[in-house]
Amino acid sequence: GNSVTQMEGPVTLSEEAFLTINCTYTATGYPSLFWYVQYPGEGLQLLLKATKADDKGSNKGFEATYRKETTSFHLEKGSVQVSDSAVYFCALSPFTGGGNKLTFGTGTQLKVEL
Amino acid sequence: NAGVTQTPKFQVLKTGQSMTLQCAQDMNHNSMYWYRQDPGMGLRLIYYSASEGTTDKGEVPNGYNVSRLNKREFSLRLESAAPSQTSVYFCAALEFGTGLYEQYFGPGTRLTVT
Repeated sequence: GNSVTQMEGPVTLSEEAFLTINCTYTATGYPSLFWYVQYPGEGLQLLLKATKADDKGSNKGFEATYRKETTSFHLEKGSVQVSDSAVYFCALSPFTGGGNKLTFGTGTQLKVEL
Repeated sequence: NAGVTQTPKFQVLKTGQSMTLQCAQDMNHNSMYWYRQDPGMGLRLIYYSASEGTTDKGEVPNGYNVSRLNKREFSLRLESAAPSQTSVYFCAALEFGTGLYEQYFGPGTRLTVT
């Protein structure tokens, strides 16, 4: 079956530090990949997506590249802010271009301190 | 435009009691989903409805039933609550088939079963 593995948290960084959250996946065919973010007390929001190999998703300074050869979709940001403190979920959909029937990773909590 | 709304926000039940979690969306999306979120396990799909009039089981359907009342509303029922159903429940909506990939999540219902 499909699965997503994320690095364990919490990850604690100082403001303006570089962020990487690792995500690898197992799936057959050509899945679509997503990063969702959950701020305290809220539901999940889509942060970025990539629907085919070598695509780069980007939003709000965050980036992730769909690497089929390493089955990875690592999240990066060059300079984090306190407002980026949240839980980040990597997810996949088994359908090329689709966002339904998502399989989520366990989430990585990010804490950014001044 | 409220997006996805869920009621109630919090609920405490005794073992064996029943309740229905309500979800409504005002985005005219076809597909709706129910997830549960448990610590260290990410989100797991309970049931989904690809379109009005259809429902299907997800990864963890046991102990739950759903009703897609109309295009807007998708409810989740616990007939006889158990402590293992203590969790945070999220509803989501997705427009599938038109090139849109984002699932929109509600704010969640925190359920405790004692």
